[in-house]
Amino acid sequence: DGGITQSPKYLFRKEGQNVTLSCEQNLNHDAMYWYRQDPGQGLRLIYYSQIVNDFQKGDIAEGYSVSREKKESFPLTVTSAQKNPTAFYLCATMGAGEKLAYEQYFGPGTRLTVT
Amino acid sequence: AQKITQTQPGMFVQEKEAVTLDCTYDTSDQSYGLFWYKQPSSGEMIFLIYQGSYDEQNATEGRYSLNFQKARKSANLVISASQLGDSAMYFCAMREGVDNYGQNFVFGPGTRLSVLP
Repeated sequence: DGGITQSPKYLFRKEGQNVTLSCEQNLNHDAMYWYRQDPGQGLRLIYYSQIVNDFQKGDIAEGYSVSREKKESFPLTVTSAQKNPTAFYLCATMGAGEKLAYEQYFGPGTRLTVT
Repeated sequence: AQKITQTQPGMFVQEKEAVTLDCTYDTSDQSYGLFWYKQPSSGEMIFLIYQGSYDEQNATEGRYSLNFQKARKSANLVISASQLGDSAMYFCAMREGVDNYGQNFVFGPGTRLSVLP
């Protein structure tokens, strides 16, 4: 079954700790994305990667870091420098769909709570 | 400037009625794609429908149709025969260009649809 997995679904951390969110895909897509979503809001782009070993900052990259050592994996680290890390995080890939060119496919998301 | 505008923060519709969710967009590209996603309370993003800028006919997918008015830069989603399971957040999104990835997939702020029994 092709898809995107994000684990865990819920994550709790103490303030001041770094935390890494996992994103794995077996869709063979080159491009991968991380979005942040706050309650009642839309999606904001944190980082994206077009190919292995390359990634670019999105609109709200401060306090986050990523790596792209292999095509299937794009982990996101929320560092202690991120002032308001509590949010819902969505990972996505982009590839050609059945009928159309280049739609985004989403993972189930990780809900991070920092106290 | 906002690239995607959804002016309805919340909408109510009676079960079995049709509802239109508004979306306007702003781009100078000739080639672009417009998407609608549904996000239920579980948080997953579900792709609903796509319209390419060169498509002459409005897209349809089951109960979903996209009312595409290129000159007005609008891409409204029409849901026919609403069901209780349609209650969710709905996001309009745009991809500019044809085959470059990157930071050119933008989302609107969303509309929360509530279907009343």
